[in-house]
Amino acid sequence: EAGVAQSPRYKIIEKRQSVAFWCNPISGHATLYWYQQILGQGPKLLIQFQNNGVVDDSQLPKDRFSAERLKGVDSTLKIQPAKLEDSAVYLCASSLIFIRRRGEGNSPLHFGNGTRLTVT
Amino acid sequence: KNEVEQSPQNLTAQEGEFITINCSYSVGISALHWLQQHPGGGIVSLFMLSSGKKKHGRLIATINIQEKHSSLHITASHPRDSAVYICAVSGSARQLTFGSGTQLTVLP
Repeated sequence: EAGVAQSPRYKIIEKRQSVAFWCNPISGHATLYWYQQILGQGPKLLIQFQNNGVVDDSQLPKDRFSAERLKGVDSTLKIQPAKLEDSAVYLCASSLIFIRRRGEGNSPLHFGNGTRLTVT
Repeated sequence: KNEVEQSPQNLTAQEGEFITINCSYSVGISALHWLQQHPGGGIVSLFMLSSGKKKHGRLIATINIQEKHSSLHITASHPRDSAVYICAVSGSARQLTFGSGTQLTVLP
């Protein structure tokens, strides 16, 4: 099966500019995640979609970050305006479905290759 | 204190050595994931487990729910195993919480 597709692979912008990232999850995957990974740290969840609805965006800096998944398939993440501290790898991941049941695990995650953003 | 702690942070081994990476967590979980991240950022899911032990090739993952601890073992390590290994847990808030990763370098 095709994996999670992300573009662009790299992006360099100046501070206060805008940038958008695109993610196409694995076909049929209902859950889509956007993560921010700063160098040397584990990924941090920015937003989680279930189909076209937002499940969790509590850590999304909403004054500058926005994300949408209008048709419940692909998604875009936008930063406007960018700051120096936004330099990071932005990872998209998808899973078939997120089920929390006692004694059962959740669906495996599939990650894209990420977009490396450098803000100068 | 971080909810997910990994050790060691950095590990250098000789080819062929048996490697263990540890993960401790402080919250109730529904599943624990071991992920592998190669230079360039791509992440691959190695294991997802909620109890017991899983094996895939030279990789073995174990979890002890009572002790809130998991280990990832690599037998007969190889330079191509060099990567960052990340532990992540799925908790009651339906979020994934990640450890900061273990940088493994296997020397030929």
